[in-house]
Amino acid sequence: DAGVIQSPRHEVTEMGQEVTLRCKPISGHDYLFWYRQTMMRGLELLIYFNNNVPIDDSGMPEDRFSAKMPNASFSTLKIQPSEPRDSAVYFCASSSYRDRGNTGELFFGEGSRLTVL
Amino acid sequence: SQQGEEDPQALSIQEGENATMNCSYKTSINNLQWYRQNSGRGLVHLILIRSNEREKHSGRLRVTLDTSKKSSSLLITASRAADTASYFCATGANSKLTFGKGITLSVRP
Repeated sequence: DAGVIQSPRHEVTEMGQEVTLRCKPISGHDYLFWYRQTMMRGLELLIYFNNNVPIDDSGMPEDRFSAKMPNASFSTLKIQPSEPRDSAVYFCASSSYRDRGNTGELFFGEGSRLTVL
Repeated sequence: SQQGEEDPQALSIQEGENATMNCSYKTSINNLQWYRQNSGRGLVHLILIRSNEREKHSGRLRVTLDTSKKSSSLLITASRAADTASYFCATGANSKLTFGKGITLSVRP
């Protein structure tokens, strides 16, 4: 299996520009998670999907952030307009396992490093 | 908000020694997981322990969980230079997995 695939691996953009990050989960996994990692705040859960439906987006920082999962093999995280404080590594993770109703083992992609100037 | 808090923040040991990392959390959990992250890479799952379990082993890894103290420890025995990485505990509760800020482990050859 190819694992979780994220693109782009690196993105440098200017403040105000739209940024789209992409994720292909592992085939057969029905849960997909978007996390953001910074030195100051660590790993933060932004949103997660089950069977392509957003279940909890309470971690999405503000309306500039949106996420979609149009089908089981593709998800996007969009930031519009981007700001310097959005600079971080964004991780996508997928899972097929729930441990008695709770999140089981997550498989992470390699991340998308975003720099907003 | 961060649920798990790892301790120490950084650990440096000699190859062959054991490494012990601790994690404390604040609220009730259903499971606790440990992950490893190599520099510039994604996180890799190491082990999951349920709230009704006290100890679990996987190869050179030993995890303990004390729900009365709301704490867990990860022991890596006979460490290798390849174990150099950041280690995160993650607590599972309310259908979410919340990560601590991690421990940086350096294993000197």
